[in-house]
Amino acid sequence: QSALAQPASVSGSPGQSITISCTGTISDIGGHDYVSWYQQHPGIAPKLIVYEVNNRPSGVPDRFSGSKSGYTASLTISGLQVEDEADYYCYSLTSATTRVFGGGTKLTVL
Amino acid sequence: QVQLVQSGAEVKKPGASVKVSCKASGYTFITNGISWVRQAPGQGLEWMGWISAYKGDTKFAQKFQGRVTLTTETSTSTAYMELRSLRSDDTAVYYCARDVRYVMDVWGQGTTVTVFS
Repeated sequence: QSALAQPASVSGSPGQSITISCTGTISDIGGHDYVSWYQQHPGIAPKLIVYEVNNRPSGVPDRFSGSKSGYTASLTISGLQVEDEADYYCYSLTSATTRVFGGGTKLTVL
Repeated sequence: QVQLVQSGAEVKKPGASVKVSCKASGYTFITNGISWVRQAPGQGLEWMGWISAYKGDTKFAQKFQGRVTLTTETSTSTAYMELRSLRSDDTAVYYCARDVRYVMDVWGQGTTVTVFS
């Protein structure tokens, strides 16, 4: 199972919006809605920010939103804040009921 | 509150085995599974495998099949990950996470495993 494809880096200014894409196949993202997104700051365990494509756990700001179209899932962060600077990973169930991560995207808030 | 606490850092020689523990608290252990994820230095997250805390069923990423054993001890609400035949590229931080319907919602603090000759 190959890693899901994410851009290596994205950047934005405070207050702007950015979108991170995550592309898979019919065997993972395209086959169901079990797609999650995780935020990771340096040296700290990842944190769940979106699950089942577009649901947020309690405590996650509504600036974070998810979507999916075909084989591509997306994470949008609106109203960028300095503390959003982190690595972001998408994650999907596969048809074999294993799981797979994306390669990760480094978000820089300029 | 729901919490996963992992065992401490390990240093191992190539060819050895390592066993990392993950003690759960704040929820009924057998109602969910545990996934294991690792992160090599400067690299991304890599899913290793999953175990049902209720039945002990397991699933593994193909690259770890046969080299990783996942177990649970329901009496102490603890999950274990054993990795055998360690190589230098197994040097990583290993995380456990509560797995609720294919979502890892709570993570342990991570355990650093260094493979060093």
